[in-house]
Amino acid sequence: QVQLQESGPGLVKPSQTLSLTCSVSGGSISSDNYFWSWIRQPAGKGLEWIGRIYTSGSTNYNPSLKSRVTISLDTSKNQFSLKLSSVTAADTAVYYCARDSDSGSYPYWGQGTLVTVSS
Amino acid sequence: SYELTQPPSVSVSPGQTASITCSGDELGDRYACWYQQKPGQSPVLVIYEHSKRPSGIPERFSGSNSGNTATLTISGTQAMDEADYYCQAWDSSTARVVFGGGTKLTVL
Repeated sequence: QVQLQESGPGLVKPSQTLSLTCSVSGGSISSDNYFWSWIRQPAGKGLEWIGRIYTSGSTNYNPSLKSRVTISLDTSKNQFSLKLSSVTAADTAVYYCARDSDSGSYPYWGQGTLVTVSS
Repeated sequence: SYELTQPPSVSVSPGQTASITCSGDELGDRYACWYQQKPGQSPVLVIYEHSKRPSGIPERFSGSNSGNTATLTISGTQAMDEADYYCQAWDSSTARVVFGGGTKLTVL
């Protein structure tokens, strides 16, 4: 059973870079042929897809965030990471990491981590 | 850009059937899926590939997809089904995953 766990600072200052890591167990980011994704949800609002990275390292990003987002793999630690630059209060949200399936749905999610952007 | 539209809220009496719709251009030609999210919890996949149920999801959850509309149907709705529900599809034109705005299901 694949399990994912987000980690990172819960508070980030405006204009700085948000950095989160997703640790994967029960699966391998370097050999499982799936996409590893980041999704966020502001309080009281809906889900917003941030982007994804494939086992090969190829990426897709939400066009609305593309200029500020980088998703990368760390195969030595079986982790993948999110970096979101130049954050503002609008980036305050619960951030989830997830793994997709053959049909593009997400059967596996992390528990989510709240990131607050505030000075 | 591609959008998926859901009603903000749906109400249903216990034991009755709840239907939640998700509309988008040519949605029937894409794999649509549905998630259930309860307060403070991560989303749970309840329907994938239009109408398939993951292991552990009760049979009362079903899905259909035709034309521009996908529908999540909950038969014999129970109080425990009260939650937010989101549809999701892939937009190949912009290479991105798209979520609907979510529907709050109230069982009363």
